[in-house]
Amino acid sequence: GENVEQHPSTLSVQEGDSAVIKCTYSDSASNYFPWYKQELGKRPQLIIDIRSNVGEKKDQRIAVTLNKTAKHFSLHITETQPEDSAVYFCAAKRTSGTYKYIFGTGTRLKVLA
Amino acid sequence: GAVVSQHPSRVICKSGTSVKIECRSLDFQATTMFWYRQFPKQSLMLMATSNEGSKATYEQGVEKDKFLINHASLTLSTLTVTSAHPEDSSFYICSALGLLQETQYFGPGTRLLVL
Repeated sequence: GENVEQHPSTLSVQEGDSAVIKCTYSDSASNYFPWYKQELGKRPQLIIDIRSNVGEKKDQRIAVTLNKTAKHFSLHITETQPEDSAVYFCAAKRTSGTYKYIFGTGTRLKVLA
Repeated sequence: GAVVSQHPSRVICKSGTSVKIECRSLDFQATTMFWYRQFPKQSLMLMATSNEGSKATYEQGVEKDKFLINHASLTLSTLTVTSAHPEDSSFYICSALGLLQETQYFGPGTRLLVL
């Protein structure tokens, strides 16, 4: 079945350094790839997304890249801050037919001050 | 922006009782809502897709008679955990698809503890 692999499962970085989280999806019909940040006990929040007709998207310190051929997409956070510490989930979705999201397993990011 | 509420935020119940959780889209109409379950330190596991005016679509391994879903209006979906047992204790989160059927907006979640 469809699945999304996410790596690493945990990531510790020093404040100010960059963090990269990678995902690989299996459903070649996926064309929408959101990233969510979830703090402990709270709802996931959309932080950035990318569609299959775009290779890269940036929003201040956050960027996402997509390689459709390899079915890889990555989240890049630059100049990390302690408040970036959270669990990050990637997801893949088709926008036609079934609307189901397939989530990655999550990455626990810890930014050390 | 799109807001989704969920009620209750926390519930403790005795084994064998039923618990109803409500998910509402407050400022938009949602023909599709999703129900997820999340165990500690794990990802979101999709339980079912709730479609307004029709039967929910359950994921493999999710018992539809145990987790009853009703999507009676464009702004409300309910999940009823019937005859709850301690293993049903979890964080239940709903989400609603926006008008473009692409972005999902999450509710704040319901923490269920079954004693």
